[in-house]
Amino acid sequence: GQNIDQPTEMTATEGAIVQINCTYQTSGFNGLFWYQQHAGEAPTFLSYNVLDGLEEKGRFSSFLSRSKGYSYLLLKELQMKDSASYLCAVSDSNYQLIWGAGTKLIIKP
Amino acid sequence: NAGVTQTPKFQVLKTGQSMTLQCAQDMNHEYMSWYRQDPGMGLRLIHYSVGAGITDQGEVPNGYNVSRSTTEDFPLRLLSAAPSQTSVYFCASRTEPASGNTIYFGEGSWLTVV
Repeated sequence: GQNIDQPTEMTATEGAIVQINCTYQTSGFNGLFWYQQHAGEAPTFLSYNVLDGLEEKGRFSSFLSRSKGYSYLLLKELQMKDSASYLCAVSDSNYQLIWGAGTKLIIKP
Repeated sequence: NAGVTQTPKFQVLKTGQSMTLQCAQDMNHEYMSWYRQDPGMGLRLIHYSVGAGITDQGEVPNGYNVSRSTTEDFPLRLLSAAPSQTSVYFCASRTEPASGNTIYFGEGSWLTVV
């Protein structure tokens, strides 16, 4: 079956760095997405990786290793507004998105 | 440019009632989808469409119908609401996947079935 695993909840301190991991097993691979979702709101796009390596976008970076079925989202200089759920999703061989359950990130002052 | 517009935002239904969640996008996207999101679970695909006149079932289609008469609109119909359909529903649209990677979501519809 197809499966996306990510931690349920993480806690970090304002100003620090946090890494949210995502492992996947899917039928085919056409890219991996990271989305941010604040409580009561729709998911918003953060990043897309289709090749191995690190993609940096401001305070957020996303890494992909296709051979290991592994990705992480790295958030630097954490701010209180980064408190949200972070969703990992993989596009499979039919371009259908398989979603993880999300990681709730709690930022403490 | 409104993006993806989804209505209503909140709805309470009685068991057995029917209703339609509306979704419209103005980005000329071919791909549109409906998801439901439940606590502790990932977004689950209900139905999707790859263009006007074409629809297909996703992971959890039972109890829902869709139609795609135009590129812009993709309504989701609950035929006979059940408490198990209490959830948050998101409509999404995207360009043809091989040519674009960003998925745009509507604001969500919070549905409670009592």
